[in-house]
Amino acid sequence: KQEVTQIPAALSVPEGENLVLNCSFTDSAIYNLQWFRQDPGKGLTSLLLIQSSQREQTSGRLNASLDKSSGRSTLYIAASQPGDSATYLCAVRRTGTASKLTFGTGTRLQVTL
Amino acid sequence: GAGVSQSPSNKVTEKGKDVELRCDPISGHTALYWYRQSLGQGLEFLIYFQGNSAPDKSGLPSDRFSAERTGGSVSTLTIQRTQQEDSAVYLCASSLAGVRTGELFFGEGSRLTVL
Repeated sequence: KQEVTQIPAALSVPEGENLVLNCSFTDSAIYNLQWFRQDPGKGLTSLLLIQSSQREQTSGRLNASLDKSSGRSTLYIAASQPGDSATYLCAVRRTGTASKLTFGTGTRLQVTL
Repeated sequence: GAGVSQSPSNKVTEKGKDVELRCDPISGHTALYWYRQSLGQGLEFLIYFQGNSAPDKSGLPSDRFSAERTGGSVSTLTIQRTQQEDSAVYLCASSLAGVRTGELFFGEGSRLTVL
């Protein structure tokens, strides 16, 4: 059974700091990993999708890496802004169960002025 | 439409009543998913559609839950004889590419409260 863990559960940083969110998964046989953000009371917004053959993906101030063999992914946020405050979720699509993503429980990020 | 659309955004119902939640995926997306997010819990997979068929219904919690999809587009999730533990946000997602590689796009969710 695939288990996805995100550490830390919550994080507060001052504006302008660079930060790293961590995601680990127990079964390395995956098709891909996707990072999302969720604002309070809202749905999920896709940030980055990394296929199993890729090592990283970048979008603006965001960079996600994937180390499939060690079962880890990181989301790097550069020059954080108050608008980055949200819950960040990672999700993996495991081979053999291609129809569904297994989600971590998220990291709640607060960027303070 | 531009994104995944869900309705109603909020639904309050009495225990024992039936509810229907609707999802309108991004145009052209063949894959459609339903997830549930309970307060303080992670996202729980419910069901996956490819076209109008549902090859994976393994996440439906009981036979009170059912879903259908028509015309390869709109999907309806039906909960019969609602219970208080059904209270949650029900999220729908759709995907364009193949099941294995496609990026999922989520709607804003339908918040269900069972009194």
